[in-house]
Amino acid sequence: GAVVSQHPSWVICKSGTSVKIECRSLDFQATTMFWYRQFPKQSLMLMATSNEGSKATYEQGVEKDKFLINHASLTLSTLTVTSAHPEDSSFYICSARLRYTDTQYFGPGTRLTVL
Amino acid sequence: GDSVTQMEGPVTLSEEAFLTINCTYTATGYPSLFWYVQYPGEGLQLLLKATKADDKGSNKGFEATYRKETTSFHLEKGSVQVSDSAVYFCALQDSQGGSEKLVFGKGTKLTVNP
Repeated sequence: GAVVSQHPSWVICKSGTSVKIECRSLDFQATTMFWYRQFPKQSLMLMATSNEGSKATYEQGVEKDKFLINHASLTLSTLTVTSAHPEDSSFYICSARLRYTDTQYFGPGTRLTVL
Repeated sequence: GDSVTQMEGPVTLSEEAFLTINCTYTATGYPSLFWYVQYPGEGLQLLLKATKADDKGSNKGFEATYRKETTSFHLEKGSVQVSDSAVYFCALQDSQGGSEKLVFGKGTKLTVNP
């Protein structure tokens, strides 16, 4: 149980386009989801925390107008990278917190490459 | 701010060897400590955790003890297997102020050869 999926697993796009990444909790309800970014050989860096039905809370230095997060239901959160540029190329990982616990379950990640 | 430092990899061991991956932390409050494992092509999975000083987390033969005096949470396993090959992440969660934020180390890649 407690499986989190991400779609797509990888995406290549042209500079200036927008890309949407989905994060789903498949077998549990997640009131809170988290979005991380991971650079090669670096640790995961938290980008934002999203709570179902409310606005996301962004970490310092993360542009909220560039990285749009929507948490419309208890099983789905989306991250949209708007007007993507090559420097946005990275590995994006989501996690979902199981309701009434403090345990986060992670998705397998999405590799974004912006040409 | 809070931070986690873990030993640089990669680490290569033979099957049945003893494993230690060092992890130290800096935190303003009293954090919970975690080890996550990421197998190839999969998401991070919680391996073990400890929520207070002197607690020992254990799972699948792995152990780590929360040492407040040395601010450490080293991961150990007495006899590794090929199936333990993965990337291991140490992390902390400082719940002071109600934050759920996880702070991760850079990860240590472990390769176990037959």
